[in-house]
Amino acid sequence: GENVEQHPSTLSVQEGDSAVIKCTYSDSASNYFPWYKQELGKGPQLIIDIRSNVGEKKDQRIAVTLNKTAKHFSLHITETQPEDSAVNFCAAPRGSGSARQLTFGSGTQLTVLP
Amino acid sequence: KAGVTQTPRYLIKTRGQQVTLSCSPISGHRSVSWYQQTPGQGLQFLFEYFSETQRNKGNFPGRFSGRQFSNSRSEMNVSTLELGDSALYLCASRTGTGGTGELFFGEGSRLTVL
Repeated sequence: GENVEQHPSTLSVQEGDSAVIKCTYSDSASNYFPWYKQELGKGPQLIIDIRSNVGEKKDQRIAVTLNKTAKHFSLHITETQPEDSAVNFCAAPRGSGSARQLTFGSGTQLTVLP
Repeated sequence: KAGVTQTPRYLIKTRGQQVTLSCSPISGHRSVSWYQQTPGQGLQFLFEYFSETQRNKGNFPGRFSGRQFSNSRSEMNVSTLELGDSALYLCASRTGTGGTGELFFGEGSRLTVL
């Protein structure tokens, strides 16, 4: 089955610096890779996703890159701000057909220091 | 449009008791998934319902069960509670099924088992 590994588990950066979080997956059939952000006391919220037919997607300060050959994808946040502090999760689908469901990485606690 | 609503938000039970958690998805969403979130295990998939049918089930014992009603609202039940069941239980809805597409999470029901 799908195994999603995420690194690092914690990441502290200075405000304005960049942050990179990496995930690897095992199922070569995976074709959809979302990133979720969870703020304290709230449920996770989608921040960006990428499908396997592209190698990179960008949305303002956030970008995701995908390397299907190496089976890894990364979240890049530029010009970090204190409000970016949260737990970020990567995910990839597991299973087949309509029974596919997302498997999440273990999460990265991102802290942006003012 | 109202978001995903979970009730109750907090509850305390004792070992051996049972608990029922409720989830009202976003209007028009027919898929409801449940996840267990703990500090040590991260986000673990419990099950997904679509049009009142369980489409997929995670690796949890039979004490964990769920159902979905014709209006797409869902409930999950945990019987014979154990200390290790203490967790944040998250419900997420989306329009379709199949492992892709954005999941919209509620804020969760935090269960403490004493």
